[in-house]
Amino acid sequence: AQKITQTQPGMFVQEKEAVTLDCTYDTSDPSYGLFWYKQPSSGEMIFLIYQGSYDQQNATEGRYSLNFQKARKSANLVISASQLGDSAMYFCAMRGTNTGNQFYFGTGTSLTVIP
Amino acid sequence: EPEVTQTPSHQVTQMGQEVILRCVPISNHLYFYWYRQILGQKVEFLVSFYNNEISEKSEIFDDQFSVERPDGSNFTLKIRSTKLEDSAMYFCASSMIAGNNEQFFGPGTRLTVL
Repeated sequence: AQKITQTQPGMFVQEKEAVTLDCTYDTSDPSYGLFWYKQPSSGEMIFLIYQGSYDQQNATEGRYSLNFQKARKSANLVISASQLGDSAMYFCAMRGTNTGNQFYFGTGTSLTVIP
Repeated sequence: EPEVTQTPSHQVTQMGQEVILRCVPISNHLYFYWYRQILGQKVEFLVSFYNNEISEKSEIFDDQFSVERPDGSNFTLKIRSTKLEDSAMYFCASSMIAGNNEQFFGPGTRLTVL
């Protein structure tokens, strides 16, 4: 079974500072993908970043980077130089190649950026 | 940039009524999905659809639910007889291929069952 755990229900960060949002996962699939989505108060789900389990390098997309530690089964999202518009819910999700096309989501972390 | 669209943005219905939630996936995508998010909770998978049939479904997707691709562009989720606990945000998503690829989500339909 797949499981995604986000242990931080809420986080605060000062504008322009970096913040790390934690995500751990559990899977028996040999190959899987890890995703982060942002959900602003308007409700839509916005894709941020993807990490494949066999990728050698940590994924980066602009101010977003994924700190992937395979042995520890963690895939933390790092947001650098936080902006007020980063205030939102952030969801970690996983898909395993042996478990079909569905995404398994964590419970989310609410990030508030303080001016 | 192509995007997934969903209508309506908000649907209010009486318990026991049927609702149809509509989605237009990205035009060259082949895999379609419905997820739901009860207020304040995590996003949960309902069903995936490929080649005009359901490829996977979760325990949530019982006989009250059905999906259809009635034409070349729309993808619908029908709830036959709504219950109070069906109140949630329903997200449609699509992807070009299966595998570890991004699923593009629509803006969601907020369903409120009274």
